[in-house]
Amino acid sequence: DAGVIQSPRHEVTEMGQEVTLRCKPISGHDYLFWYRQTMMRGLELLIYFNNNVPIDDSGMPEDRFSAKMPNASFSTLKIQPSEPRDSAVYFCASSLLAGTTDTQYFGPGTRLTVL
Amino acid sequence: GQNIDQPTEMTATEGAIVQINCTYQTSGFNGLFWYQQHAGEAPTFLSYNVLGGLEEKGRFSSFLSRSKGYSYLLLKELQMKDSASYLCAVRIYNNNDMRFGAGTRLTVKP
Repeated sequence: DAGVIQSPRHEVTEMGQEVTLRCKPISGHDYLFWYRQTMMRGLELLIYFNNNVPIDDSGMPEDRFSAKMPNASFSTLKIQPSEPRDSAVYFCASSLLAGTTDTQYFGPGTRLTVL
Repeated sequence: GQNIDQPTEMTATEGAIVQINCTYQTSGFNGLFWYQQHAGEAPTFLSYNVLGGLEEKGRFSSFLSRSKGYSYLLLKELQMKDSASYLCAVRIYNNNDMRFGAGTRLTVKP
């Protein structure tokens, strides 16, 4: 398996622009997670899906952020409009149905810079 | 609320043993994970513990005390490539909601 795939790997944009990050989870995984990592705040869970349905979006910073999962093999995280404080590495992760020894597999991340 | 604490930085010598501690205060505890993250890379899974006690996997071991809200990651025979951040994470309730500590940056010196 290719693992979790994210695109783009790097994104540089200007304040006010719309940014869309993409993720393809590992085939067969029922859970998909979006995280944000910064030096100041560490790794933060933004939202996660189970079988394409958003379960908990309490970590989404504000209404400028939205996430969708139209099917089992694709998810997007959108920021509109983007702000400099959104600059971070955004990770997507996936896992199998919750079990006693399950773990999350992370994608390589998207490094976002908002100027 | 959820609170996970671990030291910010540690330094150790190649070939030595280092113990990275993690304390947590969470509701609905359902397992503790350790991840390794090299600079500029994604976190990778190291260990999982939910019942408590010691879990050993090669040079890495993890210990969990549920009653004390405490875990440690033990790295033996340190190698230079072990220089990385080590993230303690707690799974909440009966699902995959994960909360991460800020990470401990380990530097291994010759």
